Amino acid sequence: AQSVTQLDSQVPVFEEAPVELRCNYSSSVSVYLFWYVQYPNQGLQLLLKYLSGSTLVESINGFEAEFNKSQTSFHLRKPSVHISDTAEYFCAVMKKSSGDKLTFGTGTRLAVRP
Amino acid sequence: NAGVTQTPKFQVLKTGQSMTLQCAQDMNHNSMYWYRQDPGMGLRLIYYSASEGTTDKGEVPNGYNVSRLNKREFSLRLESAAPSQTSVYFCASSDPSTYLTDTQYFGPGTRLTVL
Repeated sequence: AQSVTQLDSQVPVFEEAPVELRCNYSSSVSVYLFWYVQYPNQGLQLLLKYLSGSTLVESINGFEAEFNKSQTSFHLRKPSVHISDTAEYFCAVMKKSSGDKLTFGTGTRLAVRP
Repeated sequence: NAGVTQTPKFQVLKTGQSMTLQCAQDMNHNSMYWYRQDPGMGLRLIYYSASEGTTDKGEVPNGYNVSRLNKREFSLRLESAAPSQTSVYFCASSDPSTYLTDTQYFGPGTRLTVL
């Protein structure tokens, strides 16, 4: 079975500062990797995903994540955060062989301060 | 195009009462899911349905039943609610048969409190 570890439950950061949200996974088979974002009182939305090809993937709002197979990591980064980025971020994995069931991490709450 | 809709948005139950959470999607997706979200535990899969007429247990199915009524609708039933079922419930859908749309789309959630 696969698992996802998000070691940081909360990350406080000042506006315009860089941020990295860490995600490590464990799986005996190849996986797809996802980051979802949940704004307050809303459902989850896909932020970005790695399926194949380039190991660096980007979202439309400036986030990027890099798949590192040797370190089994998929850390999320943004060079300069905005107040509007305040949300909870979930890393998730999906086994390539088992259809579309996701396994989620426990989430990281990003709190951006002015 | 509403995406994934859930009703109700909020519900308070007493221990032992029953209720059904409704979910519908208008994206013609084959797969649908029910998750629960608890503080510090992320989202955990309760049940999923890979296609109309099929359902399978997820990670935490005890105390729940589901019905895939048709391709659009997937309901979650609590037969005898317990305080441990206090949570936020999310429905999601996806279409893994289409490579580019393996993304899961989530509804806004139902906040359930069991007293």
